[in-house]
Amino acid sequence: DTGVSQNPRHKITKRGQNVTFRCDPISEHNRLYWYRQTLGQGPEFLTYFQNEAQLEKSRLLSDRFSAERPKGSFSTLEIQRTEQGDSAMYLCASSQTGTSNTFGPGTRLTVL
Amino acid sequence: DQQVKQNSPSLSVQEGRISILNCDYTNSMFDYFLWYKKYPAEGPTFLISISSIKDKNEDGRFTVFLNKSAKHLSLHIVPSQPGDSAVYFCAASSTGGGNKLTFGTGTQLKVEL
Repeated sequence: DTGVSQNPRHKITKRGQNVTFRCDPISEHNRLYWYRQTLGQGPEFLTYFQNEAQLEKSRLLSDRFSAERPKGSFSTLEIQRTEQGDSAMYLCASSQTGTSNTFGPGTRLTVL
Repeated sequence: DQQVKQNSPSLSVQEGRISILNCDYTNSMFDYFLWYKKYPAEGPTFLISISSIKDKNEDGRFTVFLNKSAKHLSLHIVPSQPGDSAVYFCAASSTGGGNKLTFGTGTQLKVEL
């Protein structure tokens, strides 16, 4: 297992378009997290799954954001009707219960 | 409301000397603390952690100290090496929080030759 992978690594889109990101966690990890990082800030928690159940969503996650983790494996994060303020690095991480988060390389989103 | 604070945005240290990075937190529910290192265009990489039942944890050149009464932790790197140049993030979590992390804003460490 080579770690957490994310695709695409970069995404440029026009305001108002929908985008979807994918995260493949470490296979034996039961928890999966999404974070967002903007310039000069640390990663901010968005949501997390334990297996296929979405257990918590941050108030940062507006109605335009939706995340899924079908069958408790990979996860997708969709942003509808993108806005310029959505431009950020979207980080996925996974963990086994009681262990530290292992992060993927991130998807950098630019909304024009 | 910034629950984890890193008040020094940058730090410059000479190779071979000690680097000390500081972090303060406000949430008393935090009971597990971590340091991550981040290079540009990569995700954060776990470095070292400490549980609130301890006051020190050491791993090679890296030592983390926790002062619960002051709600303060620090990361010591000794000796510092040029490859240590990166952004360091302090993070915290709480039991029952599902391992989700609350991060500080980071400190850019530059180790000079």
